Amino acid sequence: SAVISQKPSRDICQRGTSLTIQCQVDSQVTMMFWYRQQPGQSLTLIATANQGSEATYESGFVIDKFPISRPNLTFSTLTVSNMSPEDSSIYLCSVTLRGNTEAFFGQGTRLTVV
Amino acid sequence: DAKTTQPTSMDCAEGRAANLPCNHSTISGNEYVYWYRQIHSQGPQYIIHGLKNNETNEMASLIITEDRKSSTLILPHATLRDTAVYYCIVRVANFNKFYFGSGTKLNVKP
Repeated sequence: SAVISQKPSRDICQRGTSLTIQCQVDSQVTMMFWYRQQPGQSLTLIATANQGSEATYESGFVIDKFPISRPNLTFSTLTVSNMSPEDSSIYLCSVTLRGNTEAFFGQGTRLTVV
Repeated sequence: DAKTTQPTSMDCAEGRAANLPCNHSTISGNEYVYWYRQIHSQGPQYIIHGLKNNETNEMASLIITEDRKSSTLILPHATLRDTAVYYCIVRVANFNKFYFGSGTKLNVKP
């Protein structure tokens, strides 16, 4: 398994501002992903974080709103830009590891936009 | 795109077996069935996965029908701590994206 550290664990932000969420993993990572979970809903895949290149976004998500970086194998950031109350969600980092087929998830960042 | 159908919610008495069904009638030959659960306010937790044979581990058993169009996750002796949302996901093993459906809310009652 893997230890996935997400920071911050929660935050309350003003509308119009941006928040950067960090994801750090302690193991050999093959792939990293970012998910959003809106209140009372299931998880929705935002994008795949690619090392050293632009992330691959799912339909309905764009780089201007959710810029993602992955400077090395074990670290990634997700920025939620120009936030509105509709961005209030839990954002989760997920990874797959070398030699494993399952995905592992962080505990998430609970974001509230006021 | 979620390719599974699950009941919205189920109840189970503590100590009894919990049987959670999942329909995946359009599953492809190279797609595995994965099960995850999400306990309130935590990240999803991997439970088990399989291709066509039944699988068992320390957490649960996975029964896949012969035509692979449906499966059942079995928690043999449910406890209150098993109360969670359970997600059934189909995925090609070497294609690492996981798409979540709506899941089943399992309520384990004393």
